[in-house]
Amino acid sequence: EVQLVESGGGLVQPGGSLRLSCAASGFTFRSRWMHWVRQAPGKGLVWVSRISSDGGTTNYADSVKGRFTISRDNAKNTLFLQMNSLRAEDTAVYYCVQWELGWGQGTLVTVSS
Amino acid sequence: QSVLTQPPSASGTPGQRVTISCSGSNSNIGSSAVNWYQQVPGTAPKLLIHANDQRPSGVPDRFSGSKSGTSASLAISGLQSEDEADYFCAAWDGSLSGLVFGGGTKLTVL
Repeated sequence: EVQLVESGGGLVQPGGSLRLSCAASGFTFRSRWMHWVRQAPGKGLVWVSRISSDGGTTNYADSVKGRFTISRDNAKNTLFLQMNSLRAEDTAVYYCVQWELGWGQGTLVTVSS
Repeated sequence: QSVLTQPPSASGTPGQRVTISCSGSNSNIGSSAVNWYQQVPGTAPKLLIHANDQRPSGVPDRFSGSKSGTSASLAISGLQSEDEADYFCAAWDGSLSGLVFGGGTKLTVL
C-alpha cells in the first residue's frame, strides 16, 4: 500500500523557516518524481514544487522561487521542503504528492505573528 | 483564478449519472495527461483517475475519465450518497512548468 506521511508543519512567525518532511513507503521511491502541493484554508489546490527521481531536476512555482527548496534522500525514502522567508500567504496545508500514486494526509503550516 | 476550468457545482439523485467537465488549453490538457481527485472536506485528496482514464486499484468502476483535445471529463454512474465531495482535475502545464488544477466542483447528492 502506498503511504506518504508528512511532518514538520506548525506555527511560525513571518520571516521564519520550516522544514517539511514526507516519509514514503509502498513503492519504489527512488524511481518516482515527487511534488509538493498546498491548499490554503477554504481555497483550491496550488502546486508548489517538484523534483526528479534522482534529485537532479527541480521546478518551483513563481510564488515560492528563491524561498523554498525541494530535496530528497532516496536512501531514506524521504522528501523534503525547506521553507525560508515565510509569509502570511504561505499559510496552507502542504501535501506530498506522487502524481501517479497518491497524496499524503498533509501538514498544516501557519505563518502568523 | 484557476488555470483549468470546472463548473463550481453539480448535483444528482442516487442512481443517476453525473458528468463533471474540465477545460484547459494546448499547454496543459492538450499535451499532457489529466488526473482527477475526490476530496471530502477536511481530508486529503484521493486519486480517482490518472492518465486520463485509468482507475487505481480500489476505485469503483462507477468512476470513469475521458479526454478530448483540451477538455476532460469525469463521469460518475450509479450515484451514491458517499460520492458527495469536491472533485478536482489536474494536469502538467508545459508553458508554466508546473502542475495546474481546476477550481473544484462540489457534487451534491440530492
